[in-house]
Amino acid sequence: GAVVSQHPSWVICKSGTSVKIECRSLDFQATTMFWYRQFPKQSLMLMATSNEGSKATYEQGVEKDKFLINHASLTLSTLTVTSAHPEDSSFYICSASAGATNSPLHFGNGTRLTVT
Amino acid sequence: QQQVKQSPQSLIVQKGGISIINCAYENTAFDYFPWYQQFPGKGPALLIAIRPDVSEKKEGRFTISFNKSAKQFSLHIMDSQPGDSATYFCAAKDSGAGSYQLTFGKGTKLSVIP
Repeated sequence: GAVVSQHPSWVICKSGTSVKIECRSLDFQATTMFWYRQFPKQSLMLMATSNEGSKATYEQGVEKDKFLINHASLTLSTLTVTSAHPEDSSFYICSASAGATNSPLHFGNGTRLTVT
Repeated sequence: QQQVKQSPQSLIVQKGGISIINCAYENTAFDYFPWYQQFPGKGPALLIAIRPDVSEKKEGRFTISFNKSAKQFSLHIMDSQPGDSATYFCAAKDSGAGSYQLTFGKGTKLSVIP
């Protein structure tokens, strides 16, 4: 089955630093990737939609300058949390689709970010 | 406005019993309804999905029942096992949203006790 690899699985950083999270589709080309944020015991909140070769589309309330998304190839999207603060601590999950509307959405295993 | 309402928030079932999780939606443009299973510290994994042209889909112990007129769908887990203990999310895709953007329910934490 389709595999989405996310790295790192967890990261601890100091307030004010930036953190990059990678999302790779291992056995398929992902024209579209999605980035979600999940707080403890809550549902997934869509942050942005990343399309290969174009600018990401951010959901309302998500700061595009704080959460930089780059989808430079058909197998890699990155999310950079810039100038991280403790309130950015969360579980970040990416998902990928091959592009066709009937293609299932596959999720990575998430990245636990802790900002101290 | 919550577009997919999921209940219950938590569920405790005896081993061997049937677990039932319900979801309701309002957007008639939704055309795909997947269920995801998530274990702690892991990303969601697609469990089973259904389209509105069928009323039921079964895969092993997992069954989705779909009621288009009532705009409701449910997940049934037969012969529930302790290994099924996880959080389950229903979701829906808007046919007009493009690509594969999903709207998720708030999740149901299932605990299967021996």
